[in-house]
Amino acid sequence: RKEVEQDPGPFNVPEGATVAFNCTYSNSASQSFFWYRQDCRKEPKLLMSVYSSGNEDGRFTAQLNRASQYISLLIRDSKLSDSATYLCVVKRVVNAGNNRKLIWGLGTSLAVNP
Amino acid sequence: EADIYQTPRYLVIGTGKKITLECSQTMGHDKMYWYQQDPGMELHLIHYSYGVNSTEKGDLSSESTVSRIRTEHFPLTLESARPSHTSQYLCASRDVGEGTEAFFGQGTRLTVV
Repeated sequence: RKEVEQDPGPFNVPEGATVAFNCTYSNSASQSFFWYRQDCRKEPKLLMSVYSSGNEDGRFTAQLNRASQYISLLIRDSKLSDSATYLCVVKRVVNAGNNRKLIWGLGTSLAVNP
Repeated sequence: EADIYQTPRYLVIGTGKKITLECSQTMGHDKMYWYQQDPGMELHLIHYSYGVNSTEKGDLSSESTVSRIRTEHFPLTLESARPSHTSQYLCASRDVGEGTEAFFGQGTRLTVV
């Protein structure tokens, strides 16, 4: 079982739809959480950090449930340009040191259709 | 936009050649990473560095080597390229501290023929 798991999709949705992505993580030492977006053959780019209280950026809402070790990303009123792979990323402490490690999910593929 | 650069963007090279993929960042980040990613597949961490003279192997075994002589520079070298090394190589950096994001270079798409 992978430390960070996502539904690989693909999610095929019409324009204007609301779509939700889920991500679970298994290590309770995880401290920070992010959603990245990766377009085909491009580098990943930060979409948004995920805060404990939940946060919103325009059409995007991220939520964190530490008790269930679960992160979500909600996209409202989806646009054609939202088509991409969405990567869930978790940062946690490595061993007993002060170093932290980024753990990447496999990504969820989204295709928004006209 | 992130100030992290990779060169070359695309490289087609013959088997057995030595290659160096360059990665530079001007953000003063201590932490740098090399990832390998095949099309449509997940990111695999192959090397990372927490600062000058610090290099570690990542989760995916790789025949490549890295060096970190300067903060801003984190080159990756393959002594003898093989077709199995064909992939996209992504360099990233981030600052220390909680909640800091990783910034990626545009990647080097390597094809070994």
